[in-house]
Amino acid sequence: GAVVSQHPSRVICKSGTSVKIECRSLDFQATTMFWYRQFPKQSLMLMATSNEGSKATYEQGVEKDKFLINHASLTLSTLTVTSAHPEDSSFYICSPIMGRGDYGYTFGSGTRLTVV
Amino acid sequence: AQKITQTQPGMFVQEKEAVTLDCTYDTSDPSYGLFWYKQPSSGEMIFLIYQGSYDQQNATEGRYSLNFQKARKSANLVISASQLGDSAMYFCAMREGPYGGSQGNLIFGKGTKLSVKP
Repeated sequence: GAVVSQHPSRVICKSGTSVKIECRSLDFQATTMFWYRQFPKQSLMLMATSNEGSKATYEQGVEKDKFLINHASLTLSTLTVTSAHPEDSSFYICSPIMGRGDYGYTFGSGTRLTVV
Repeated sequence: AQKITQTQPGMFVQEKEAVTLDCTYDTSDPSYGLFWYKQPSSGEMIFLIYQGSYDQQNATEGRYSLNFQKARKSANLVISASQLGDSAMYFCAMREGPYGGSQGNLIFGKGTKLSVKP
């Protein structure tokens, strides 16, 4: 159990364009999804939390209009980076939560975004 | 204030030897969980071991053990019989507060880069 699919694994886009990252929980339903961002040689930092059917909650300093999160179903959440800029280049990781207490934390394989 | 502190940016260990990666945490919540993850260069987060704040015994998972010292608020990871494939970044993380929702996310330390020498 706990299979998570995150796509794409790598993406290069031009400055000003938008990129969509998908995160699917393949064999479980995730009521809560965390999105983390990891800059080079740094730790994972929480960007936002989404619950199925609700608006996402963003951490301080994360622009909600720039990072659009959709959690329309229990198995799919998307993060869209709008009007991407080079400073948005980072590693984005989703973390869908299973209902198994502290053993319910799972992670996607991550998306390495490079904005040129 | 930093919640998870990993003071070793980098560590070297000889193959087949044991190594301890340090982690201290800060929380006033009586209920919390402590995790260790391995992150190879591919970026995926690989779960290694978990310790709950109420667990009486130190957690062990194969070659991994967690030296949990609650009074000192430390949760060091011990890797026994290091292998070349253990070379990676290692992150200590904590879940504090109610499980689930915006307070249930993991807070990560800055990580320790472990290099295993042949």
